[in-house]
Amino acid sequence: GDSVTQMEGPVTLSEEAFLTINCTYTATGYPSLFWYVQYPGEGLQLLLKATKADDKGSNKGFEATYRKETTSFHLEKGSVQVSDSAVYFCALRSISNYQLIWGAGTKLIIKP
Amino acid sequence: ETGVTQSPTHLIKTRGQQVTLRCSSQSGHNTVSWYQQALGQGPQFIFQYYREEENGRGNFPPRFSGLQFPNYSSELNVNALELDDSALYLCASSSKDLLQETQYFGPGTRLLVL
Repeated sequence: GDSVTQMEGPVTLSEEAFLTINCTYTATGYPSLFWYVQYPGEGLQLLLKATKADDKGSNKGFEATYRKETTSFHLEKGSVQVSDSAVYFCALRSISNYQLIWGAGTKLIIKP
Repeated sequence: ETGVTQSPTHLIKTRGQQVTLRCSSQSGHNTVSWYQQALGQGPQFIFQYYREEENGRGNFPPRFSGLQFPNYSSELNVNALELDDSALYLCASSSKDLLQETQYFGPGTRLLVL
């Protein structure tokens, strides 16, 4: 069945460092791909999405490109801030229904 | 535009009891999905409701049931609670008719089963 694998955390970086959080997927067809963010004590917020191959989603300085050839959707940011500290989830939307399949989440800790 | 709301925010129950969680979908959305998120893990799909009918179910036992009402709000019911049911329960709304596949999440209900 469909699945999402993302890098284990926690990932600890200094402020202004470059961020990459890896995400790869296994799916039937060409699913839509998402990154959600969960700040401490809060629900899930959509960060960005891409619906077809080579699409780039971007928001708040974060970017991710839908790579069909490598079945990947890695999250990147050029210069992280302390306020980016959160748990980041990669997810795909199954083409057979509207179910979201989730990775386990990557906790990001940014130190001043 | 009103976002997704859930109630209650926190709940404590004992093993064997029953619980009902509620969700109001975002304005204009007719599809509600429910997820269970255990501590430190990603969400797990429970089921989805579209126009008051169940429209997909994850790997959860029948004691997890739901309803969707004509105004598209929804309830998640869990019978015979077990300790492992302790988790954050998330509701997400979307609109199939408008092909808006993005799901918008509520803040969740944190359930503790003792």
